[in-house]
Amino acid sequence: EDQVTQSPEALRLQEGESSSLNCSYTVSGLRGLFWYRQDPGKGPEFLFTLYSAGEEKEKERLKATLTKKESFLHITAPKPEDSATYLCAVFSGGYNKLIFGAGTRLAVHP
Amino acid sequence: NAGVTQTPKFQVLKTGQSMTLQCAQDMNHNSMYWYRQDPGMGLRLIYYSASEGTTDKGEVPNGYNVSRLNKREFSLRLESAAPSQTSVYFCASIAASGGGYTFGSGTRLTVV
Repeated sequence: EDQVTQSPEALRLQEGESSSLNCSYTVSGLRGLFWYRQDPGKGPEFLFTLYSAGEEKEKERLKATLTKKESFLHITAPKPEDSATYLCAVFSGGYNKLIFGAGTRLAVHP
Repeated sequence: NAGVTQTPKFQVLKTGQSMTLQCAQDMNHNSMYWYRQDPGMGLRLIYYSASEGTTDKGEVPNGYNVSRLNKREFSLRLESAAPSQTSVYFCASIAASGGGYTFGSGTRLTVV
């Protein structure tokens, strides 16, 4: 059964304190791994898609990496505005269906 | 702005009442999806429509029905609401070429 597990559930950082979020996945034939950001009361916002092991993508202070079993979202020198829930998802089955992890709630304090 | 529009944003229902959640996208996307989000459980797929005229069950379809009215619109209906259906509901769409989902802003539903 396809599965996505994210850790930690919650993470508290001081402004400027770099860290990483983990997404472990089990899927029959990876066709895409996605990272989303979700702010309270809003829908998830697309960040990155990774397709193959070794691939990396960056956007401002965020960098996503992918191995054959997991993905990391590295946050470098975070700011309070990076506070959000970060969701990981993979395609599962046909018709572009995504299955999601439960997310990591990130709080960055000044 | 192009995107996915959901209505209503908030709704309170009594047990046994019915309602329809509306979703429309203006990006000419083929596939549309309904998810529910509950604390600690992430997003779970209720129903999806791979293309206009088709619908299929997802992971948690019981108690729901859907209609793909045309390419733009995909509605979710609760025929007899139950407290277990208290959740935040998100509609999403994706282009045929792939890439990421575009999500609506959600409907927060409370069943009392």
